[in-house]
Amino acid sequence: TQLLEQSPQFLSIQEGENLTVYCNSSSVFSSLQWYRQEPGEGPVLLVTVVTGGEVKKLKRLTFQFGDARKDSSLHITAAQPGDTGLYLCAGGRDGGTSYGKLTFGQGTILTVHP
Amino acid sequence: DAMVIQNPRYQVTQFGKPVTLSCSQTLNHNVMYWYQQKSSQAPKLLFHYYDKDFNNEADTPDNFQSRRPNTSFCFLDIRSPGLGDAAMYLCATSRDRHPNQPQHFGDGTRLSIL
Repeated sequence: TQLLEQSPQFLSIQEGENLTVYCNSSSVFSSLQWYRQEPGEGPVLLVTVVTGGEVKKLKRLTFQFGDARKDSSLHITAAQPGDTGLYLCAGGRDGGTSYGKLTFGQGTILTVHP
Repeated sequence: DAMVIQNPRYQVTQFGKPVTLSCSQTLNHNVMYWYQQKSSQAPKLLFHYYDKDFNNEADTPDNFQSRRPNTSFCFLDIRSPGLGDAAMYLCATSRDRHPNQPQHFGDGTRLSIL
């Protein structure tokens, strides 16, 4: 079983603070996807990283894929209440029994207080 | 806009009474997934279709069945719902099974069991 350990599970911060969410695994993934889910809605893709060491930025969000493609991080600068939600990392593998399926981390519930 | 649509958004059924949840997509994607998600946890994959090829997860209870009559529609049948089946059910699609492909989620059906 290819596990993705996501941390922290809960994060409660004030508006304007910075934060980082981590996803770690002992397995190599072909891609790492980050999703954000708001209450009552389905997850929405934020970014896909596929190259070891890759860094992608989406406004105040910075995503990084580890050099060995076993870990990833999401950094949010100057968090806003609109960033509140459930953040999910998900890894995709090329081949084997996991082909075509995503391995999800446990999720991080982020609450940003005004 | 092309999208994944789930109906109904909320479903209430009685203990043991069969229920069917539906999902339609206008993306013309080959792959359709059904997930179960409980209280802000990560989605748990129940099964997926690659075109007409059905792929069941080993730990999906026999109580859960699925049908995909055509590319656009997929159904989740719960034959005898128990209290533990109360959850959000998410449908997702993907263009193909390549690990870099993102999944597009519907907004889910929240199932309650009386």
